[in-house]
Amino acid sequence: GAVVSQHPSRVICKSGTSVKIECRSLDFQATTMFWYRQFPKQSLMLMATSNEGSKATYEQGVEKDKFLINHASLTLSTLTVTSAHPEDSSFYICSASPMTGATEAFFGQGTRLTVV
Amino acid sequence: AQSVTQLDSQVPVFEEAPVELRCNYSSSVSVYLFWYVQYPNQGLQLLLKYLSGSTLVKGINGFEAEFNKSQTSFHLRKPSVHISDTAEYFCAVSDRGRYGGATNKLIFGTGTLLAVQP
Repeated sequence: GAVVSQHPSRVICKSGTSVKIECRSLDFQATTMFWYRQFPKQSLMLMATSNEGSKATYEQGVEKDKFLINHASLTLSTLTVTSAHPEDSSFYICSASPMTGATEAFFGQGTRLTVV
Repeated sequence: AQSVTQLDSQVPVFEEAPVELRCNYSSSVSVYLFWYVQYPNQGLQLLLKYLSGSTLVKGINGFEAEFNKSQTSFHLRKPSVHISDTAEYFCAVSDRGRYGGATNKLIFGTGTLLAVQP
């Protein structure tokens, strides 16, 4: 199957700093990627839809100025958590599909963010 | 809005016993249905998916699921579990896109921890 790579897998940062997470589709192009957040022992919640060459679409309740998404190419989307605080600590996962109309999304391995 | 309900947060089962993980969805339109497995601190791996056609779907690792439109259910089953099946299992749904493909904007259930005991 198609491969989605997420980097870093773990990151610890100080409160008030920013952290960038990368999501790459390694062997296909993706016009759309999705970012999810998962709190411990909970389900995945969709944060935003990343669209190549245009602005991301954020779900209700997600602060777009705090979670900056950039989808500059067909194989890369980035999520930047700005001015991180301990409550932003979570597991962030991205997904992508090879093309419009594809019937399956492929997930990255996730990024464990810890803000201290 | 769509929603997915996984009634069981945790299912303990002995090794080699059968298991069923329940999933119900609410949607008034045609959907795609998925089951994913997540091992600790890892991403999601697709077990199986229902798009159309036969209501019994077979996936990887010996899992299967049956789509029941009248009951809006998509329960996951395995006839004999192994210790290595211990993981979190998520049921998910996505809309069909305008041209019939999946939008891949997934709505997940709350997950079921399958705990296989020796």
